[in-house]
Amino acid sequence: TQLLEQSPQFLSIQEGENLTVYCNSSSVFSSLQWYRQEPGEGPVLLVTVVTGGEVKKLKRLTFQFGDARKDSSLHITAAQPGDTGLYLCAGPPGGGSEKLVFGKGTKLTVNP
Amino acid sequence: GAVVSQHPSWVICKSGTSVKIECRSLDFQATTMFWYRQFPKQSLMLMATSNEGSKATYEQGVEKDKFLINHASLTLSTLTVTSAHPEDSSFYICSARVQGPGTQYFGPGTRLTVL
Repeated sequence: TQLLEQSPQFLSIQEGENLTVYCNSSSVFSSLQWYRQEPGEGPVLLVTVVTGGEVKKLKRLTFQFGDARKDSSLHITAAQPGDTGLYLCAGPPGGGSEKLVFGKGTKLTVNP
Repeated sequence: GAVVSQHPSWVICKSGTSVKIECRSLDFQATTMFWYRQFPKQSLMLMATSNEGSKATYEQGVEKDKFLINHASLTLSTLTVTSAHPEDSSFYICSARVQGPGTQYFGPGTRLTVL
């Protein structure tokens, strides 16, 4: 079973600080997705990365897919309270499966 | 973007009753939908894969007779929790897969509380 390990599990920072969340696996993924989920709501897709070494930017968020497609990172610059939420990485386990395997998530709290 | 809706957003029921949750893809057709369960402060746990026009595929440990899934059209999948008990109380989320590299779009979730 392909697993996705996310770190850190919890992160509490002050507004304006930078942070990086990691998503690692020992297996190769054809793609990885990052979602943000707020309490009582469904996950919202932030980005899908497909190509090894790919970097995508979404305003203050920068996503990177590892060259070997085994890991990904999410970097947030100048975090704001509105960035607070549960960040989840997910990817298809391969073998033609349409399912997604999820990391356990990173609970980010940005304090004003 | 792809929009997925769920109904109801929350439901409270008595132990022993059945509850149906609907998942709809609003602006696209979804041959495959997924049902997840999420406990407080935990990640999503896949329950089953719902395929239009065929039987759902359940994950190991998920009782198919308890969690009935019907995917009768390309835009609607339903999850029925039969004979619900308090331990079935949870946040149930559906998603729909669109064409592309495995991208799924999620509904807003349904909070089920069984008394």
